[in-house]
Amino acid sequence: DAGVIQSPRHEVTEMGQEVTLRCKPISGHNSLFWYRQTMMRGLELLIYFNNNVPIDDSGMPEDRFSAKMPNASFSTLKIQPSEPRDSAVYFCATKPDRASTHGIVFGSGTRLTVV
Amino acid sequence: QQPVQSPQAVILREGEDAVINCSSSKALYSVHWYRQKHGEAPIFLMILLKGGEQKGHDKISASFNEKKQQSSLYLTASQLSYSGTYFCGTEGGDYKLSFGAGTTVTVRA
Repeated sequence: DAGVIQSPRHEVTEMGQEVTLRCKPISGHNSLFWYRQTMMRGLELLIYFNNNVPIDDSGMPEDRFSAKMPNASFSTLKIQPSEPRDSAVYFCATKPDRASTHGIVFGSGTRLTVV
Repeated sequence: QQPVQSPQAVILREGEDAVINCSSSKALYSVHWYRQKHGEAPIFLMILLKGGEQKGHDKISASFNEKKQQSSLYLTASQLSYSGTYFCGTEGGDYKLSFGAGTTVTVRA
């Protein structure tokens, strides 16, 4: 099992540019979470999906952020336009089902730097 | 609502014990514990479901007091490999997993 795969691992972009982060969940995992980690705010839940449907997006900071899960094998988190305060490590994490008693498995993360 | 963890940091010598606490203001379905090494992703340690159970993983164990909405992680006879930041994650009936601010554990030889 390849685990949760995120791309890119690192992204440096200029303020105002569009950024798209990608995630491939573990096969068979139907719940997918996007988290953002910073020193100041810790691990923040941005949005989570179950069976490709967004269940809770109350953590999405503002309209500049959007997330999609077009199928069970792929999810994206888009920031447009990006701002320096968006700089953080973004993690995608998955588990078999939202009611599962398994822990969530994190991807390696995408380190985003907006200059 | 994010759970509250304490202490923020702890420094141990090899072989010493430590306790990390996690509390929540909302009714919990489960409590998760994760450890993160610098520059890496958090790794799942264990999950505790409501029912007040206690679990163990090597010499790391945890308890969950459902009535008090509190969980504790016990590091026993600590090893150098236990160093890292420990996060508790709490899950309510909405299945949202929210994390505390973390406890940085440093184990020295």
